[in-house]
Amino acid sequence: GQNIDQPTEMTATEGAIVQINCTYQTSGFNGLFWYQQHAGEAPTFLSYNVLDGLEEKGRFSSFLSRSKGYSYLLLKELQMKDSASYLCAVKDSNYQLIWGAGTKLIIKP
Amino acid sequence: GAVVSQHPSWVICKSGTSVKIECRSLDFQATTMFWYRQFPKQSLMLMATSNEGSKATYEQGVEKDKFLINHASLTLSTLTVTSAHPEDSSFYICSASPRVSGANVLTFGAGSRLTVL
Repeated sequence: GQNIDQPTEMTATEGAIVQINCTYQTSGFNGLFWYQQHAGEAPTFLSYNVLDGLEEKGRFSSFLSRSKGYSYLLLKELQMKDSASYLCAVKDSNYQLIWGAGTKLIIKP
Repeated sequence: GAVVSQHPSWVICKSGTSVKIECRSLDFQATTMFWYRQFPKQSLMLMATSNEGSKATYEQGVEKDKFLINHASLTLSTLTVTSAHPEDSSFYICSASPRVSGANVLTFGAGSRLTVL
């Protein structure tokens, strides 16, 4: 079956750095997405990786290793507004999006 | 950027009634829109893929007669929850991507929270 694993919950301190990991086993691979979802709201797009390596976008960076079936989302200079769930999603060989359960990130002052 | 509008944001209805949720792509055309359902503290679950001008494709376990999807134009898809029951209470989210989009990034509507009494 297809599976995406991410930690259920993480806690970090304001101003610090946090890395959220995502591992996947899917039938084929056509890209990996990270979305941010605040409680009670729809997800918003953060990043997209289809080739190995690091994609940097301001305070957020996303890394992909296709051979390892692994990605991480790195958040720097954490702010209280970064408290949210972070969803990892992979497009499989049929271009279907397979969603992880999300990682709830709690930021403490 | 691409904007998807979803309406209504909140709806409360009595058991047995039907509820329609609209999803509109405001500044782009979407031949395909996606309907998701999300229970509290759970991930998004794809319910169906809405195809303009043709029948929707439903995921396994989703009752097509209960969740009616109509995609009558390139900018509008509707989801009707028929004969709603309390177990249908959930957060329903639609999404779409512009026809020309290198990464096929999904833009989500704001979601519709349905409460069935």
